[in-house]
Amino acid sequence: GENVEQHPSTLSVQEGDSAVIKCTYSDSASNYFPWYKQELGKRPQLIIDIRSNVGEKKDQRIAVTLNKTAKHFSLHITETQPEDSAVYFCADGTEKLTFGTGTRLTIIP
Amino acid sequence: DSGVTQTPKHLITATGQRVTLRCSPRSGDLSVYWYQQSLDQGLQFLIQYYNGEERAKGNILERFSAQQFPDLHSELNLSSLELGDSALYFCASSVGLDVGEQYFGPGTRLTVT
Repeated sequence: GENVEQHPSTLSVQEGDSAVIKCTYSDSASNYFPWYKQELGKRPQLIIDIRSNVGEKKDQRIAVTLNKTAKHFSLHITETQPEDSAVYFCADGTEKLTFGTGTRLTIIP
Repeated sequence: DSGVTQTPKHLITATGQRVTLRCSPRSGDLSVYWYQQSLDQGLQFLIQYYNGEERAKGNILERFSAQQFPDLHSELNLSSLELGDSALYFCASSVGLDVGEQYFGPGTRLTVT
């Protein structure tokens, strides 16, 4: 990818509610869109990804949606729990990954 | 545990010095990627190696270089260090050449004083 914009930069959500993080990309050739979760001082961990030939993918409480026409993709976390608190990064790419600037998600008990 | 290992965990050095960071990919992975993460910043792609050869370059400074050895481990060399080089350096690995699932190591925290 060339450039990825990620919003919001911070997000506070009441425990049990849903959280949505959005990313917009510019490279129309991008065909792979992963999401990473990074806890403080830890490594980024791949939590879900989607390829350009798929519009939506779900894994338990986490889902990703992709709109190729609008060039944006979103991470949805339902029934949020305190352990979901972390920084989330989106990325896009063809030969290499370009990462967004991150969203600091805080789950309020 | 992702299966990717990095050493050392922490490194403190002075400006002008040179350091080498080491990464061993997951068993079976042929691609290694290096990223820099400054304080409260995102992940900046530096360079990718696949099966010993350089495949893609990002915003890597000329003072930085890398290589991947026949056993597939990789080293990132940082020279003429500046204060601004202080950051977390991650390597990641993936199976093939095409962009896909990348698994990150625990990182090396470099502090330049």
